[in-house]
Amino acid sequence: DAGVTQSPTHLIKTRGQQVTLRCSPKSGHDTVSWYQQALGQGPQFIFQYYEEEERQRGNFPDRFSGHQFPNYSSELNVNALLLGDSALYLCASSFGPHPGELTDTQYFGPGTRLTVL
Amino acid sequence: AQSVTQPDIHITVSEGASLELRCNYSYGATPYLFWYVQSPGQGLQLLLKYFSGDTLVQGIKGFEAEFKRSQSSFNLRKPSVHWSDAAEYFCAVGAVDYKLSFGAGTTVTVRA
Repeated sequence: DAGVTQSPTHLIKTRGQQVTLRCSPKSGHDTVSWYQQALGQGPQFIFQYYEEEERQRGNFPDRFSGHQFPNYSSELNVNALLLGDSALYLCASSFGPHPGELTDTQYFGPGTRLTVL
Repeated sequence: AQSVTQPDIHITVSEGASLELRCNYSYGATPYLFWYVQSPGQGLQLLLKYFSGDTLVQGIKGFEAEFKRSQSSFNLRKPSVHWSDAAEYFCAVGAVDYKLSFGAGTTVTVRA
């Protein structure tokens, strides 16, 4: 059973560029969350996708956007890159939570290391 | 809003010794609590979780954690550490708004 997969593994961009990161959830999962982990810090929640819509968003600017496809895979897009966007971007998948449920266990992928020069 | 505090930034422990990592949370209702481990350059692996029921939960790799509501704590323990336990450990709390809120992490170094 494949776990959460992310691509690419590493990425180097320059300031002002745009980047797209990809995530395939664990088999059977329908919800994808994205987190940013700066060096030496804990992961920070960016947003969560369920039923192809953004359900919840953390304290990140509109430069960060996403998409979820009918097969539940997801993309994270970051526009107008800043040096401060350099971080490990983690994707997590879960089965739900569905309407009326609370949070569910999230399983994380290996991450994409983004370096902005 | 929920939050997590991990008071210890770095812990050094001898191989074979016991380990305890502290986690304090802030949340108005009964939280969902998690411990994850991260090896260098890797993603997060779930060690254990608490949703309800027995306050002592068992996880993978010989880890356990105890939920203490009165102290707002969810400390992680292992009776005897192995060199492979050297990693960064994150406590997280989940609530009604779907996201996980993580602590800053505790780095564990294991000396021979």
